[in-house]
Amino acid sequence: AQKVTQAQTEISVVEKEDVTLDCVYETRDTTYYLFWYKQPPSGELVFLIRRNSFDEQNEISGRYSWNFQKSTSSFNFTITASQVVDSAVYFCALSDRGLGGGNKLTFGTGTQLKVEL
Amino acid sequence: EAGVAQSPRYKIIEKRQSVAFWCNPISGHATLYWYQQILGQGPKLLIQFQNNGVVDDSQLPKDRFSAERLKGVDSTLKIQPAKLEDSAVYLCASSLDRGQETQYFGPGTRLLVL
Repeated sequence: AQKVTQAQTEISVVEKEDVTLDCVYETRDTTYYLFWYKQPPSGELVFLIRRNSFDEQNEISGRYSWNFQKSTSSFNFTITASQVVDSAVYFCALSDRGLGGGNKLTFGTGTQLKVEL
Repeated sequence: EAGVAQSPRYKIIEKRQSVAFWCNPISGHATLYWYQQILGQGPKLLIQFQNNGVVDDSQLPKDRFSAERLKGVDSTLKIQPAKLEDSAVYLCASSLDRGQETQYFGPGTRLLVL
């Protein structure tokens, strides 16, 4: 069965600190996709990144970077120089071939990030 | 490009009442999903549509939940009768196709069952 573990329930940092959110996944599929979503207090899930299982290159987008390591089944997310606006719940998710060949996302339990002044 | 639209944003009902949520996906997106997100948890898939057909409804409590997407665009999710444990945020998402495409989410409907 597919599983995504986000062991950090809540992280508090001071603005401008770097912070890394951990994500560990389990799957028997050889082809899969990993995602990160941000959920601000408004409740909408905002897409941040999609990664397929064959592409282990790290990715950087502005202050955001992602480290995908297939050997340890991890897909960690780092925010550099954090800002108050980064405060949100962050979800890691794994795309699974659900019933009927569908595209089912299995989410972790999320990490609440609080960035304080 | 307009995002996924959902209404209402908030709903409070008493147990045993019925409730319906509406979703309009991103234009051109063939696949539509309904997720349930209980407080403190990640979203859980309830049902997935490809155009107007059901692809996966294995986790939909069919004794009380129903969903339809009659014309392959808008969708409605209904709960009848509601239970206290149905209190959650109901998120609608859409993607271009049912492959492992990125899913884009709407703002959700927060349901409180008293």
